[in-house]
Amino acid sequence: DIVMTQSPDSLAVSLGERATINCKSSQSVLYSSNNKNYLAWYQQKPGQPPKLLIYWASTRESGVPDRFSGNGSGTDFTLAINSLQAEDVAVYFCQQYYDISAYSFGGGTRVEIK
Amino acid sequence: EVQLVESGGGLVQPGGSLRLSCTASGFTLGSYSMNWVRQAPGKGLEWISYISSSSTSAHYADSVKGRFSISRDNGKLSLFLQMISLRVEDTAVYYCARGSFGGIKGFDVWGQGTLVSVSS
Repeated sequence: DIVMTQSPDSLAVSLGERATINCKSSQSVLYSSNNKNYLAWYQQKPGQPPKLLIYWASTRESGVPDRFSGNGSGTDFTLAINSLQAEDVAVYFCQQYYDISAYSFGGGTRVEIK
Repeated sequence: EVQLVESGGGLVQPGGSLRLSCTASGFTLGSYSMNWVRQAPGKGLEWISYISSSSTSAHYADSVKGRFSISRDNGKLSLFLQMISLRVEDTAVYYCARGSFGGIKGFDVWGQGTLVSVSS
């Protein structure tokens, strides 16, 4: 099974500054037939279900502000939140959906305001 | 409005059984694969089961294999999770989540979740 490892576990960022979250997969999630990375990012606020932010490692879901961006390929990925807003306080998870028989999530990164 | 609503959670003793339901609205359930994901109190997300759009294939996490069974009734717009031999460590909020069309996005629609508590 593919193991997803996120870092850091938590980070505190000042309003208006940039937050960066890392995600590493134990094997490549790049699908060679279409050259797409099957890596998604989710945001979860307290008491709410997760919300899809980014898929294919770098494509923003409809309605997601452009201060959220995803990058990376193969096994190493990042989620960046530019100009952090108060409403971005949440836990962020990466997920690989490459292995349809065993999807997996990273452990989560809590983003707080410094 | 595209929506998923879970039901069936509750308090059950270790070794007991429970059946969760997820009702879909606002989209054609039969066009999408579906999943169950759980989240233990204060913990991260754990994918536990997948079922294809026409029920031809199903997959389970090792942690629930042999104890949980996923099924669906597209005509009744419903997804199910039958859970037996429940353990204390199965205590969690259980979410149903839609696999995106063609599998391109991950899980693009989530329910609000239903809480399962396993305790004596």
